[in-house]
Amino acid sequence: DSGVTQTPKHLITATGQRVTLRCSPRSGDLSVYWYQQSLDQGLQFLIQYYNGEERAKGNILERFSAQQFPDLHSELNLSSLELGDSALYFCASSVAGDRGAGGGLFFGSGTQLSVL
Amino acid sequence: AQRVTQPEKLLSVFKGAPVELKCNYSYSGSPELFWYVQYSRQRLQLLLRHISRESIKGFTADLNKGETSFHLKKPFAQEEDSAMYYCALSGFSGGYNKLIFGAGTRLAVHP
Repeated sequence: DSGVTQTPKHLITATGQRVTLRCSPRSGDLSVYWYQQSLDQGLQFLIQYYNGEERAKGNILERFSAQQFPDLHSELNLSSLELGDSALYFCASSVAGDRGAGGGLFFGSGTQLSVL
Repeated sequence: AQRVTQPEKLLSVFKGAPVELKCNYSYSGSPELFWYVQYSRQRLQLLLRHISRESIKGFTADLNKGETSFHLKKPFAQEEDSAMYYCALSGFSGGYNKLIFGAGTRLAVHP
């Protein structure tokens, strides 16, 4: 168990809908990262937060947004969902801040999103 | 630009054979490199960090700055090593430290 908790484990929804994925980092970790893993695109970095502030952006669509709350949990919001958004979404955390992933990242079990 | 290249999508070996999963990187500074393992689309687990110079589950990886490589090696593969392996680089880009993953290599160890 990495200590990173993601909910829900599975999510099935329809095109055009909006969903929220939730992540609780390891105790003491200030940084949260979101990744998307699909069969054809591999592991894609979406966005990173550190202590409530956005730190880095990757290949995140404008339909997607995220935030990190004062208690350090994070939510990834996906809207106007398309079939191609079906993927495994991982959250990861690390204790480091602007040094980012110097100590490595600890991953949650992921949320499997299926858009029908 | 930061880039991590894993040239092989699939590496298929027999049990007991040596394994080498290749990883090459592109980074202008001093990178920190990692190997992660993912079993059956479960969570990614940190396997190795180059700064630790450790051996985990029989795997080792040496950073070769001249060849910009960080290949993962194991002398005798086991069936339970079958998994997806990702090489990752941590370095500064655009003012922030980012962790960039390679595309991954699936290791299949056959009995």
